[in-house]
Amino acid sequence: KAGVTQTPRYLIKTRGQQVTLSCSPISGHRSVSWYQQTPGQGLQFLFEYFSETQRNKGNFPGRFSGRQFSNSRSEMNVSTLELGDSALYLCASSLVGNLGEKLFFGSGTQLSVL
Amino acid sequence: DAKTTQPPSMDCAEGRAANLPCNHSTISGNEYVYWYRQIHSQGPQYIIHGLKNNETNEMASLIITEDRKSSTLILPHATLRDTAVYYCIVRVKNSNYQLIWGAGTKLIIKP
Repeated sequence: KAGVTQTPRYLIKTRGQQVTLSCSPISGHRSVSWYQQTPGQGLQFLFEYFSETQRNKGNFPGRFSGRQFSNSRSEMNVSTLELGDSALYLCASSLVGNLGEKLFFGSGTQLSVL
Repeated sequence: DAKTTQPPSMDCAEGRAANLPCNHSTISGNEYVYWYRQIHSQGPQYIIHGLKNNETNEMASLIITEDRKSSTLILPHATLRDTAVYYCIVRVKNSNYQLIWGAGTKLIIKP
């Protein structure tokens, strides 16, 4: 069974640009969540999608958005990039996102904003 | 929200058992404790999780105290490949089950 796939693996952008990251969950998984990881703040929750609906959102500005498609694949978008958006962006999937379920993570997209 | 406290770093000799402690004194009765590990710049890898009872799988054992205020992850025979940051996490029910991550423990396995 293929794991969680994130593309691209590395990305370099400049301030003010926008970026779209992609995540393909494990087959059969319907819950997809996104996390930002920086050396200073650690891993922080961005949002979670289930059945194409955003079910929960962390404390990030509106420049961070996402969506989920009918095949459970998800994308996240960051508009008007800032230097502080440089981070490892991680996607995780689980069956339905219930309390006792394991989350499986992708390898992440390393975003550098210059 | 339940938070976790872990030592920032630990060493362990190769071949010995590595015991990683975690405090989660504010955990609620139906919140699970999860353990993940992360090798530099890769995605976190699931290790084990539990609610009340001790758990064991092919990777590790999880010992949860009876009052559920702390737990210990045990890697029975540590290898150099077990060097990583280990995160003890509580899955928070009142936030639609999102994971709240702490700073983790940097475990260094020494030959």
